[in-house]
Amino acid sequence: DTGVSQDPRHKITKRGQNVTFRCDPISEHNRLYWYRQTLGQGPEFLTYFQNEAQLEKSRLLSDRFSAERPKGSFSTLEIQRTEQGDSAMYLCASSFFGQETQYFGPGTRLLVL
Amino acid sequence: EDQVTQSPEALRLQEGESSSLNCSYTVSGLRGLFWYRQDPGKGPEFLFTLYSAGEEKEKERLKATLTKKESFLHITAPKPEDSATYLCALAGGGGADGLTFGKGTHLIIQP
Repeated sequence: DTGVSQDPRHKITKRGQNVTFRCDPISEHNRLYWYRQTLGQGPEFLTYFQNEAQLEKSRLLSDRFSAERPKGSFSTLEIQRTEQGDSAMYLCASSFFGQETQYFGPGTRLLVL
Repeated sequence: EDQVTQSPEALRLQEGESSSLNCSYTVSGLRGLFWYRQDPGKGPEFLFTLYSAGEEKEKERLKATLTKKESFLHITAPKPEDSATYLCALAGGGGADGLTFGKGTHLIIQP
């Protein structure tokens, strides 16, 4: 069990550029979650997948955000036309269906200049 | 709407000085209450899951308890390496599967 991994760990981009983050969940975990965390706040839920199906989206997930989990394994989160307000830590978590505990990855820290 | 409030926002203790962190919550049908530890620049590290009032769990110097309105994280004889932000989160029965987090308690243990 290697834990949840995320790539890249850090990303600096210019306003208006597109960025994509990857998350690899704990093997055999069929649920995968994306959260966003800003300084001094707790993580905020964005969206989650059960296998390859995206089952829930938060109202925080604007039209510029899209997430995929094409084969029910790894997931990608893309932000189009980034804005300075998108600067945050993006966290991925995974769990077994039927078990509530979620295990988090190390996060991807995004800075939009 | 599920809500989580943590207090205090920050706490500074001397090494060996025991204390408790509070997590107050409102939820429609609790599916689980979680405690995580987060070090600067890292993702949250899972500590405990509590499911029903009266439940308690322990791990080393930490003990988590749960009532119908709040949870406590008790820290006994803390060491400097216990310094971190402690996050409380819940999974509610309203259908949403994402966790609702509090803002955390920033704990500093001075040697």
